Amino acid sequence: KQEVTQIPAALSVPEGENLVLNCSFTDSAIYNLQWFRQDPGKGLTSLLLIQSSQREQTSGRLNASLDKSSGRSTLYIAASQPGDSATYLCAVLNDYKLSFGAGTTVTVRA
Amino acid sequence: SAVISQKPSRDICQRGTSLTIQCQVDSQVTMMFWYRQQPGQSLTLIATANQGSEATYESGFVIDKFPISRPNLTFSTLTVSNMSPEDSSIYLCSVEERPYEQYFGPGTRLTVT
Repeated sequence: KQEVTQIPAALSVPEGENLVLNCSFTDSAIYNLQWFRQDPGKGLTSLLLIQSSQREQTSGRLNASLDKSSGRSTLYIAASQPGDSATYLCAVLNDYKLSFGAGTTVTVRA
Repeated sequence: SAVISQKPSRDICQRGTSLTIQCQVDSQVTMMFWYRQQPGQSLTLIATANQGSEATYESGFVIDKFPISRPNLTFSTLTVSNMSPEDSSIYLCSVEERPYEQYFGPGTRLTVT
């Protein structure tokens, strides 16, 4: 069974600092990995999707890397802003099913 | 990407009752999924719903408790039956718009008293 772990569980940084969020998974036979953002009490917004054959994916201030062989992904958010405050979830797809981590809750202080 | 809506957005229900949650998509999709997110926890897949076939339930979830309908390619419902306080969660539907990439609705926040 796929296990997905996200470290740290919570993170508080001053505005302008770069954010580094980590995700690890136990079964490297994944098809892809998605990073999502969830605001309190809301649904999920897809941020980035990395195919298993890719090493990284970028969108604006967001950059996600994937090392499938070691079962790791990292989400970098550059020059954080208070609007980046949310919970960030990673999810891996294998056997046609998404397995989610518990998330990292980020607070960006103005 | 597809626009997904859910109704209701939130509800407070008494134990022993049932609630039906609707998921509407603005384009035709083959695969729809229902997830549960219990307080402070991550998402757990309840079932996969394909049009024209019975839903496929994950371990720990049964049709009598969570009946699902999928009458067409843009709509699905999830019913939470005979509710207890342990059913208090956010329920989310998602769709596979591009192969193996899921998009999520805004969720339904359910509180059972």
